[in-house]
Amino acid sequence: QSVLTQPPSVSEAPRQRVTISCSGSSSNIGKNAVNWYQQLPGKAPKLLIYYDDLLPSGVSDRFSGSKSGTSASLAISRLQSEDEAIYYCAAWDDRLNGWVFGGGTKLTVL
Amino acid sequence: QVQLQQWGAGLLEPSETLSLTCAVYGGSFSGYYWNWIRQPPGKGLEWIGKINHSGNTNYSPSLKSRVTMSVDTSKNQFSLRLNSLTAADTAVYYCARGTGEVIDPWGQGTLVAVSS
Repeated sequence: QSVLTQPPSVSEAPRQRVTISCSGSSSNIGKNAVNWYQQLPGKAPKLLIYYDDLLPSGVSDRFSGSKSGTSASLAISRLQSEDEAIYYCAAWDDRLNGWVFGGGTKLTVL
Repeated sequence: QVQLQQWGAGLLEPSETLSLTCAVYGGSFSGYYWNWIRQPPGKGLEWIGKINHSGNTNYSPSLKSRVTMSVDTSKNQFSLRLNSLTAADTAVYYCARGTGEVIDPWGQGTLVAVSS
């Protein structure tokens, strides 16, 4: 069981917008930055969002992040088939003194 | 642009010791911390631990008794050893750079299978 809670799956039609939630606690999301990763089959995770809402260079601005309290969200707008992947949230946990991850959310573009 | 390249044995037997090494190319080695993360087949990500260029370590409590990390600053490399392997340790193991509250980039991953 993952420390951060994500829905196992989400789906939406092309060109629409989808959000993926990530719920944590005061020792991780409530106190530290949230990162979001995209993982394609057989590939290493790719950083999509860091420090809650910052976009790394080269990442499409269709991706955005937000955080409120002990929860965070990843939004993907103008969905494309290439967005089909598993998305993970991550944060440092002060109580566990280590990085914690969500269980991953599989995005299906209908 | 920094790149991480990792290698190590891919098939081990129960009770053996996993040994992986990650080399850092194109970037500074000091000033960052270096992580190992694993992913069992079809499952999520699990942080194993981290080490900095001085050799200071921080291990996951669930694996602490079996993990050893080391660095070789002369080669810009860091390594992971995990002993007393069982089938539950079968996973893709990733090395990754950490800075502040960000882990990025990641190595290509190494599949380690534990089977008799």
